[in-house]
Amino acid sequence: DSGVTQTPKHLITATGQRVTLRCSPRSGDLSVYWYQQSLDQGLQFLIQYYNGEERAKGNILERFSAQQFPDLHSELNLSSLELGDSALYFCASSVRGLAVYNEQFFGPGTRLTVL
Amino acid sequence: AQTVTQSQPEMSVQEAETVTLSCTYDTSENNYYLFWYKQPPSRQMILVIRQEAYKQQNATENRFSVNFQKAAKSFSLKISDSQLGDTAMYFCAFMKHREYGNKLVFGAGTILRVKS
Repeated sequence: DSGVTQTPKHLITATGQRVTLRCSPRSGDLSVYWYQQSLDQGLQFLIQYYNGEERAKGNILERFSAQQFPDLHSELNLSSLELGDSALYFCASSVRGLAVYNEQFFGPGTRLTVL
Repeated sequence: AQTVTQSQPEMSVQEAETVTLSCTYDTSENNYYLFWYKQPPSRQMILVIRQEAYKQQNATENRFSVNFQKAAKSFSLKISDSQLGDTAMYFCAFMKHREYGNKLVFGAGTILRVKS
């Protein structure tokens, strides 16, 4: 158990819909990362938040957005869903303080299926 | 931009044998980290081993060791005494050093099958 929790584990929805994925980082971790794993694109970085602020963006679609709340949990919002958005979405957390190296701990993922 | 290449889509090995998974990367950074992650059928991402670029000594974790060739930008994983539980997808990953944390850049992965 990495200490990172993600809900829900599975999500099945229809095209055009909107969903919210939730992530609770390890206790004390300030950074949260979202990754997408799909057959087409492999494992891709989407976005990073550090202590409530967006720090880095990857190949995240405009239909997707995220935020990190004061309690440090994060949500990834996916809207106008398309079939190609079906994937495993991982959340990871790191950085309990400024350090030379910060390992990322991954949650179990949310499996999104768009029908 | 950094890229990570794993040229072996699939590999198989007999139980108790040794197998080496290959990884190359491209970067202009001098301060970075390299990782091997394991993803078993459960889909959980598990860190196997990491290597700091400033360290010349190759990292070792029990049966897992790496061959880090910085000039050649090569980072291979050797698994000794392979076990059935090693069956998984293995990802090589790169991370630039940033004090607030940084994204991981992953390779496409290598499926490893350990046969009894």
